[in-house]
Parts: sequence; C-alpha cells; structure tokens
Amino acid sequence: EDQVTQSPEALRLQEGESSSLNCSYTVSGLRGLFWYRQDPGKGPEFLFTLYSAGEEKEKERLKATLTKKESFLHITAPKPEDSATYLCAVHSWNSGGSNYKLTFGKGTLLTVNP
Amino acid sequence: DSGVTQTPKHLITATGQRVTLRCSPRSGDLSVYWYQQSLDQGLQFLIQYYNGEERAKGNILERFSAQQFPDLHSELNLSSLELGDSALYFCASSFSPGPSRPTEAFFGQGTRLTVV
Repeated sequence: EDQVTQSPEALRLQEGESSSLNCSYTVSGLRGLFWYRQDPGKGPEFLFTLYSAGEEKEKERLKATLTKKESFLHITAPKPEDSATYLCAVHSWNSGGSNYKLTFGKGTLLTVNP
Repeated sequence: DSGVTQTPKHLITATGQRVTLRCSPRSGDLSVYWYQQSLDQGLQFLIQYYNGEERAKGNILERFSAQQFPDLHSELNLSSLELGDSALYFCASSFSPGPSRPTEAFFGQGTRLTVV
C-alpha cells in the first residue's frame, strides 16, 4: 500500500531561522509529487509539482527538491506569515490496471515566531 | 481563489440523516477528487472521477456515494450519518490526473459537516 510520511509532525522556528521539512514515500509507480500549504479551516493551496529525481522548484522563501525516496521543502529565512501546515502528496499509478490516486501525508505544522 | 467551488460551506444535521455536498471544478478540469479531513486525521482520499467516470476509490464507506455529471460538477452523498462523520470534506479538481505527468489538483474551501 502506498505510504507517505512527513517529518517532523510539528516545527517551531524563529523568524529568519532556516530549516527543512521531509516527505518520504513508498509508492508503486510514482508519477508526481506535490507540495501544498494549508491554513486552519481552509483548503490546501498548491505550491509545487516535482516529477523526477533531481528536480528542484523554488518560490520566494520555499524550495522543493526530490530524490527517489523522499522530498524536502526548504524554508529560507521564514517569516511569521509562513506559519501553516505543509502537506506532501504523491500521485501514483497502478500499472496493473487503470487505478491511480493522490495520497497525502499528515503534514508538518510549521510555526514561525517573530 | 482556486476556482473550485464547494457548497454549502457549513452543514449541521442530525444522526441518521442524508446530505449532499456539491463541487464545481475549475473551468477546463476534467478530474474531481473528494477528501475527508477530520481533526486528528490527514486528508483521507475518498473517490475520484474523470470526465464522468469513476477512476479510483479510497476508503469510502458504503453509506457514501458520489457522481460526476455531464457538466463535470460532482456531488458527494452521505447517508445514515453518524457522529464520526463530522469532518471537513474537500473537493479538488485537476486537468490531467495521469498516468504520465499528472497536473496539480486545486482544492475548494471545503464543506464543514457537523453531525449532532
């Protein structure tokens, strides 16, 4: 069964203190990995798509990278407004049939203190 | 604004009742996903449709059903509701769900269901 594990579950940073969030996955037929940001009570907001190992995407203070077994979301000099839950999702394809799905990890709750 | 519209935003109903949640995907998107998110749980995949056809099924209870209509909007029907069904229900849409280079899914703001 496809599994997506995010760590740490929660992370507290001081403003300006850079860090990384991890997403490790065990899936058959990975077709894409996605990062989302979710604020309390809101729908997840799309951040990045990564398709193959070695790929990197960057947006403002965020940078996402992908290896064959995991992805990292690097946050450089975070600000309080970066506080949110960051979700990782993998899109996998069952080559034995026509079944594919988007599986989410439980997320990392990031708090950035001023 | 993601372009995905979910109605209603809030729903309070009694145990044993039946409700229908509605989702309008982004213009041009053919695929619709439904997810359930409870307080201590992550996003649990329920079901996915592509251009009117069911494509993937997750841990969807038999009391729950869904469909995607010719105009591509989707409805999630929840029946014989129990207290444990209280959760946020999200709909997401994407242009191409796979198999190669699937495009990202965009989420609506969710329907908060409270069963009392």
